[in-house]
Amino acid sequence: GEDVEQSLFLSVREGDSSVINCTYTDSSSTYLYWYKQEPGAGLQLLTYIFSNMDMKQDQRLTVLLNKKDKHLSLRIADTQTGDSAIYFCAEGFTGNQFYFGTGTSLTVIP
Amino acid sequence: GAVVSQHPSRVICKSGTSVKIECRSLDFQATTMFWYRQFPKQSLMLMATSNEGSKATYEQGVEKDKFLINHASLTLSTLTVTSAHPEDSSFYICSAGKQREGETQYFGPGTRLLVL
Repeated sequence: GEDVEQSLFLSVREGDSSVINCTYTDSSSTYLYWYKQEPGAGLQLLTYIFSNMDMKQDQRLTVLLNKKDKHLSLRIADTQTGDSAIYFCAEGFTGNQFYFGTGTSLTVIP
Repeated sequence: GAVVSQHPSRVICKSGTSVKIECRSLDFQATTMFWYRQFPKQSLMLMATSNEGSKATYEQGVEKDKFLINHASLTLSTLTVTSAHPEDSSFYICSAGKQREGETQYFGPGTRLLVL
């Protein structure tokens, strides 16, 4: 099966930038996604990138995709306490099959 | 937008009873819906893929007689946990694929099931 890996924890100070990383093994995905999950809640789609793009910017969010290294990252600029959550990357394949990463718990320190 | 709702948001039941969880796409039609299970501090595990009007496709290791899925319309899929046991306690999340938006899935808020 597909392996999608993320580091488990990340702590940053409020106002700093956060970078959450994701590595994967199967490069045949069509889209790659970042989802945010707050405690006890479902997943909120933050942004996604088509697999033939290498960068996408959406307000405070910047997604970088390095297909050669099979590496995806999410940068959150000016991180706020409300950004504290678990972030999941996911690969989407034809037929809407998703594989999720292990999740990164982001803690923003005031 | 693309809003997906789930009902109930949380349920507590006795061991041996069955529990039905509903997943609705509120403002779009979803030909495909997905059911996931999430254990504490873990990622989502896909349980099954549900296509409107046909039988669900279950992932390896998921008992189809235990987790009954019905996708009766383009806006509603249900997951029934039959004869629930404490080990079925978990967070169940559904998602729906929106037509004409590539491969994006939109997730419901989840249902927390506790079996006593």
